[in-house]
Amino acid sequence: DQQVKQNSPSLSVQEGRISILNCDYTNSMFDYFLWYKKYPAEGPTFLISISSIKDKNEDGRFTVFLNKSAKHLSLHIVPSQPGDSAVYFCAASYGNNRLAFGKGNQVVVIP
Amino acid sequence: DTGVSQNPRHKITKRGQNVTFRCDPISEHNRLYWYRQTLGQGPEFLTYFQNEAQLEKSRLLSDRFSAERPKGSFSTLEIQRTEQGDSAMYLCASTQAAAYEQYFGPGTRLTVT
Repeated sequence: DQQVKQNSPSLSVQEGRISILNCDYTNSMFDYFLWYKKYPAEGPTFLISISSIKDKNEDGRFTVFLNKSAKHLSLHIVPSQPGDSAVYFCAASYGNNRLAFGKGNQVVVIP
Repeated sequence: DTGVSQNPRHKITKRGQNVTFRCDPISEHNRLYWYRQTLGQGPEFLTYFQNEAQLEKSRLLSDRFSAERPKGSFSTLEIQRTEQGDSAMYLCASTQAAAYEQYFGPGTRLTVT
């Protein structure tokens, strides 16, 4: 069963605008959430993370929001740049062990 | 340190053959993970090691799959009697035991014909 779900498989956004990616999870035991970015023919690259005891974490252009009651998190990229075009994966962990990944969202930033 | 490395990057094999992949983690990382990714899916957990001990295996890891990390450094993943359903990207990741963030290698793409 898919414990981490990413809907809307693709997103197109104009350069300079905001990209918002959403992720829902079902397992209430998850205590840490991560976002990875993946270019073709490369492995996933860690982007940003958030502990379940927080509701927001910011790193430069990237902000992750966590709503525990709704079991929902989102990634905001502001402003979007052409180099941000990639597949973004939401991942979750409990007990700092294995990661459970969503299916990914393709983001295309249009110059 | 140049990060996690994996070899080979690509492997084409015929059904029924055995294949072995290697992963070299970031040197100070004592945890090493193997994942498999198929088209349109996110990575799926296969197994992980802390130092040389294999601590968990997924039910995806059939008895045709075996992984080792003999000296707590590099790891190998072997698939015996490959099947077409084994075609996938095999990803290795490493981290420190106390950390959540895992750092991935470039993967080995396996094609079984």
